[in-house]
Amino acid sequence: EAGVTQFPSHSVIEKGQTVTLRCDPISGHDNLYWYRRVMGKEIKFLLHFVKESKQDESGMPNNRFLAERTGGTYSTLKVQPAELEDSGVYFCASSQYETQYFGPGTRLLVL
Amino acid sequence: GQQVMQIPQYQHVQEGEDFTTYCNSSTTLSNIQWYKQRPGGHPVFLIQLVKSGEVKKQKRLTFQFGEAKKNSSLHITATQTTDVGTYFCAVCYNQGGKLIFGQGTELSVKP
Repeated sequence: EAGVTQFPSHSVIEKGQTVTLRCDPISGHDNLYWYRRVMGKEIKFLLHFVKESKQDESGMPNNRFLAERTGGTYSTLKVQPAELEDSGVYFCASSQYETQYFGPGTRLLVL
Repeated sequence: GQQVMQIPQYQHVQEGEDFTTYCNSSTTLSNIQWYKQRPGGHPVFLIQLVKSGEVKKQKRLTFQFGEAKKNSSLHITATQTTDVGTYFCAVCYNQGGKLIFGQGTELSVKP
């Protein structure tokens, strides 16, 4: 069974540009989460989808971040416009029950 | 919001030495999970503890949940170079909800 996949693996963009990250969860997992790890610090929660609905978006830093999960399958996280402090590793995770399975992450660098 | 404090931030050991990382909370936790992230990798679920005073073992790893359910520890006996990585504790909210991570302990093992 395929694990959680994320695309792209790396992205380098300039401040002010837009970047869209994609996450494909494990097939059949209703729960999809986005997390971010900045500069070797702790991993911070961004938001949680249950199927196509946003269950909890309390961790979204500001309105430059937009997450979608149309159809309840894959999800996208768009950052527009990107700022320097958005740099970090963005992880997606999925679960059916309590154990969350993480994807390999997208390493975003904003210059 | 609820926080989980994790110490130490870094630990350098000689191969064969033991290693322990600790997580503490000021409030009672419903559960505690442990994850391992290899350098350049993604968090991988190790275990979940839910009962007061619970102790679980996985080969050389011993996980404990305090009697008051406010602290937890991960102990590795006789470290190996394959143990290198960052170990995170995390609390899962609302069964299947977001994970709140500790700051992580980065373990390096000198052969």
